[in-house]
Amino acid sequence: DAKTTQPNSMESNEEEPVHLPCNHSTISGTDYIHWYRQLPSQGPEYVIHGLTSNVNNRMASLAIAEDRKSSTLILHRATLRDAAVYYCILSYNNAGNMLTFGGGTRLMVKP
Amino acid sequence: DAGVIQSPRHEVTEMGQEVTLRCKPISGHDYLFWYRQTMMRGLELLIYFNNNVPIDDSGMPEDRFSAKMPNASFSTLKIQPSEPRDSAVYFCASSFWETQYFGPGTRLLVL
Repeated sequence: DAKTTQPNSMESNEEEPVHLPCNHSTISGTDYIHWYRQLPSQGPEYVIHGLTSNVNNRMASLAIAEDRKSSTLILHRATLRDAAVYYCILSYNNAGNMLTFGGGTRLMVKP
Repeated sequence: DAGVIQSPRHEVTEMGQEVTLRCKPISGHDYLFWYRQTMMRGLELLIYFNNNVPIDDSGMPEDRFSAKMPNASFSTLKIQPSEPRDSAVYFCASSFWETQYFGPGTRLLVL
């Protein structure tokens, strides 16, 4: 399985943009890049996913490098509620895709 | 929709006892996943079902663990006999397309 590398932790100030990096140098052509996050004492929740083009939704933006060996999750204005562990996962894009969670990045947001 | 429902939310039991965790997936979802989360090993996929049929149980740690899905709206994960090393948070997730929706988890403590 292709693996991802993320920093263990990051800090951000409230209402500032946050860029969460993910390296996936062994990504295959069929791997989608999925991002989930886990708020304290909750189950993971879907954030965004993409294949090659940059993606935007109401929660975040996903910027994918041209060679697809890295990507960046962008939170445009961090709030205290965005403090969570963010997981970058490579997987097929189908209903039965198995998600392999790594250690993720713990994002701390300072008021 | 109420989302994925898990019960109980907390369970404390003694070593050797049988433990049954329950999950109600989101209506209409045809995939169901069971995960376990510990500090040491992070989030691990244990088993997943498609249309009530187990597809991959390679993550089930040993024969003490078993999972069933008797119908589309109910699944159980059973541990018999339980051991202290089974203490963890167990998550159930369901999906229809590529996004998995996680329940709130069951926090299990085996004394």
